[in-house]
Amino acid sequence: DAGVTQSPTHLIKTRGQHVTLRCSPISGHKSVSWYQQVLGQGPQFIFQYYEKEERGRGNFPDRFSARQFPNYSSELNVNALLLGDSALYLCASSTGTGETEAFFGQGTRLTVV
Amino acid sequence: GEDVEQSLFLSVREGDSSVINCTYTDSSSTYLYWYKQEPGAGLQLLTYIFSNMDMKQDQRLTVLLNKKDKHLSLRIADTQTGDSAIYFCAETRYSTLTFGKGTMLLVSP
Repeated sequence: DAGVTQSPTHLIKTRGQHVTLRCSPISGHKSVSWYQQVLGQGPQFIFQYYEKEERGRGNFPDRFSARQFPNYSSELNVNALLLGDSALYLCASSTGTGETEAFFGQGTRLTVV
Repeated sequence: GEDVEQSLFLSVREGDSSVINCTYTDSSSTYLYWYKQEPGAGLQLLTYIFSNMDMKQDQRLTVLLNKKDKHLSLRIADTQTGDSAIYFCAETRYSTLTFGKGTMLLVSP
């Protein structure tokens, strides 16, 4: 069985550019959450989606947006990139929005130069 | 405080037991989790404990929960060099995970 898959694995962007990160959850999982992990820190919650609806949003600026598709895959979009957006972006998949086990993908390493 | 707190570093010898500690903040958290992160990788769910439990054992892993003190610990028996990684505890808050900064475990031969 495939786990949570994220693409791309690595990405280098220039300040001011836009980026789209993608996530496919585990088959049968309807909830996807996005986390940002800056070097040396624990992951910080960005968004949670369930059944294509946003169910939670962390303390991130409006430059960050996301959506979930009918097949439960998800995209995270970041506009007007800043150097501080450089981080590992992690996608987590779970069966629902309740307190169930969340399984993480390998992440997308974004470097903004 | 508002943060999930962990000690930052632990060094042990191969074969010893490792104990990683964590204090959390939300007494209403239903589940508490331990994740492992190896260099350059994502997070691997190791184990979790339901809040009405005091202890959970899973092979070499033992989780202890003290709800009164909001203290969570992860014990790894017979620690191996392959256990070297960063370990994160996490609590659920409003259906999302709130992580500590992680404890780096270094296992020397």
